[in-house]
Amino acid sequence: SQELEQSPQSLIVQEGKNLTINCTSSKTLYGLYWYKQKYGEGLIFLMMLQKGGEEKSHEKITAKLDEKKQQSSLHITASQPSHAGIYLCGAGQSNSNSGYALNFGKGTSLLVTP
Amino acid sequence: SQTIHQWPATLVQPVGSPLSLECTVEGTSNPNLYWYRQAAGRGLQLLFYSVGIGQISSEVPQNLSASRPQDRQFILSSKKLLLSDSGFYLCAWSGQALGPQHFGDGTRLSIL
Repeated sequence: SQELEQSPQSLIVQEGKNLTINCTSSKTLYGLYWYKQKYGEGLIFLMMLQKGGEEKSHEKITAKLDEKKQQSSLHITASQPSHAGIYLCGAGQSNSNSGYALNFGKGTSLLVTP
Repeated sequence: SQTIHQWPATLVQPVGSPLSLECTVEGTSNPNLYWYRQAAGRGLQLLFYSVGIGQISSEVPQNLSASRPQDRQFILSSKKLLLSDSGFYLCAWSGQALGPQHFGDGTRLSIL
C-alpha cells in the first residue's frame, strides 16, 4: 500500500511567521487531501488536489501538488493561534480492491506561540 | 447540508466486553462509509469501508467487525474487546470516488 511521509513531525512557530508542511509519497498520488485536526476531535477537510502542478488557497493556507504528483506542500502565511492543530495529508489508494479509501500520513503537530 | 454523527463520544469498557459504535449520515444518499482508528504514534488506520448496504470491506484483520444495516448507518462492533482496541475511532463518509471524506467527531475508547 502507499505510504505517506509527513515532515516535520512537529512545528513550533511564532505568531505571524510563515511555515510549510510537506507530504511525500513513493508512488503517484491519486487525489491528495489535506485535513486539520484539533486534539480529540474529528478531521476537518481543508483542500483536495488532483492534477500535477495544481495549487489551491483558502484564506491564509495554500496547498500545492508537484508535477510528478508525488509530493504536496501546505503553506501557512502569517500564522495565528487558530492555525494550531495537527495537519494530516491523505491520498487515494491506487489498489482498486481498496475502493475509495485513503491512506494518511502520521500528521504534523503545529503550535503557534504569541 | 450533510452531517455525520458518531456516538458515544467517549467510552470506557472492560477487557472482554462487547462493543457497538454507531455512525449515521444525514443529507445524502448512498454515501461511501469508513471506519478509521487513530492510535498514538501510529497515525490514522483504515479499518473498514462500505460502498453500499450490506457491503463491507475489511482492511486489517482484527477482532472488530462492521455492518451497514441501512444506507446511512454504519456500525462498528466487537464481541470481546482487547486492550489493543483502545484508541480514537473515527467514522467518515464521501459522496464519490476519490472525493473528499468528511469525518465525525470521533469516539475515544479506553479499555481497562
